Amino acid sequence: QKEVEQNSGPLSVPEGAIASLNCTYSDRVSQSFFWYRQYSGKSPELIMSIYSNGDKEDGRFTAQLNKASQYVSLLIRDSQPSDSATYLCAVLETGANNLFFGTGTRLTVIP
Amino acid sequence: SAVISQKPSRDICQRGTSLTIQCQVDSQVTMMFWYRQQPGQSLTLIATANQGSEATYESGFVIDKFPISRPNLTFSTLTVSNMSPEDSSIYLCSVAVTKNTEAFFGQGTRLTVV
Repeated sequence: QKEVEQNSGPLSVPEGAIASLNCTYSDRVSQSFFWYRQYSGKSPELIMSIYSNGDKEDGRFTAQLNKASQYVSLLIRDSQPSDSATYLCAVLETGANNLFFGTGTRLTVIP
Repeated sequence: SAVISQKPSRDICQRGTSLTIQCQVDSQVTMMFWYRQQPGQSLTLIATANQGSEATYESGFVIDKFPISRPNLTFSTLTVSNMSPEDSSIYLCSVAVTKNTEAFFGQGTRLTVV
């Protein structure tokens, strides 16, 4: 399976701060990238998708993609305690249409 | 996004037995996948369920242990065969409406083998 690397954390930020989550991948032909949020005991929930270089913003979330550096990140602005979860980076293997996940970063937002 | 119903939600099984997990989608989808998530770990792709043909298995997973069916564009099953305690895990069905698009997950099946 393809290599998708994330800082395992845990990452702790105070409420209202910016949380920064990072992900690198090994497959140079991957074209589609996703961030999922997974609460304990629940299944992953898609929060962002990004397909081209640059930034994509959706509410408090911003995904950043740099294909040359094989790097994708997720910024969470004005972090809330309800953002406390594990965040999974996923990379879609072009052609085979297989989605591969990183190990996840556990985020805790401290009130 | 599609509504995905996965059942059972959890089960406790005896070693040596088999369990079949069902995944039903409320609309036709092109892609269906099965993942495993062991405690505290990330998701590992078991296989892609192909309609009308054999599933495509990832390295480390074989059809004899994890037979998969996909009779149509809305339904798939995963069987965990001849279970051992090492098979205790969460099994997740995932679907993508079309190729190369985002995938959505069912609520998962928590399997415990004793």
